[in-house]
Amino acid sequence: GDSVTQMEGPVTLSEEAFLTINCTYTATGYPSLFWYVQYPGEGLQLLLKATKADDKGSNKGFEATYRKETTSFHLEKGSVQVSDSAVYFCALITGGFKTIFGAGTRLFVKA
Amino acid sequence: DADVTQTPRNRITKTGKRIMLECSQTKGHDRMYWYRQDPGLGLRLIYYSFDVKDINKGEISDGYSVSRQAQAKFSLSLESAIPNQTALYFCATSEPPGQGAGETQYFGPGTRLLVL
Repeated sequence: GDSVTQMEGPVTLSEEAFLTINCTYTATGYPSLFWYVQYPGEGLQLLLKATKADDKGSNKGFEATYRKETTSFHLEKGSVQVSDSAVYFCALITGGFKTIFGAGTRLFVKA
Repeated sequence: DADVTQTPRNRITKTGKRIMLECSQTKGHDRMYWYRQDPGLGLRLIYYSFDVKDINKGEISDGYSVSRQAQAKFSLSLESAIPNQTALYFCATSEPPGQGAGETQYFGPGTRLLVL
């Protein structure tokens, strides 16, 4: 069945470091891909998305490119801030409604 | 005001008790969902509803039931709570594909449930 695999955390970085969180997927057809972020004590919120191959989603300095050939959607940010500390979830949607989430990657950013 | 609200935010109950978690939304979305979040497992779908008369089981519906009282309200019940239902529960909404933000889901703040 469809699935999402993302790197285990926690990931600990110093402020202004480069961030990569890997995400790969298995899916039939052509899913839409998402990154959601969960700040402490809150629900998930959409960070960025891409709906077709080679699309790049971007928001708040974060980027991810839909790579069909490698079935990947890695999240990157050039310079992280303490306020980026959160749990990040990679997800895909199939059949127009069923969202499948990865296990989440916790990011800690130190000042 | 938040678009998706959940009550209660925290709840402690005992094994065998019936408990209801409530979700309300002001986004006007027809589609609503209930998930549970467990450490290391991401979110898993319990039930989903495409409109008031269309309710479907998700991947882990055993031990749960739902009620869609109106477009804006979707409740999750645990008829007889057990300790392995201790988790963080999220309600979410979305629009159908091709409308507005389409497949994006909008989440409530969550309900933390502890079953003793």
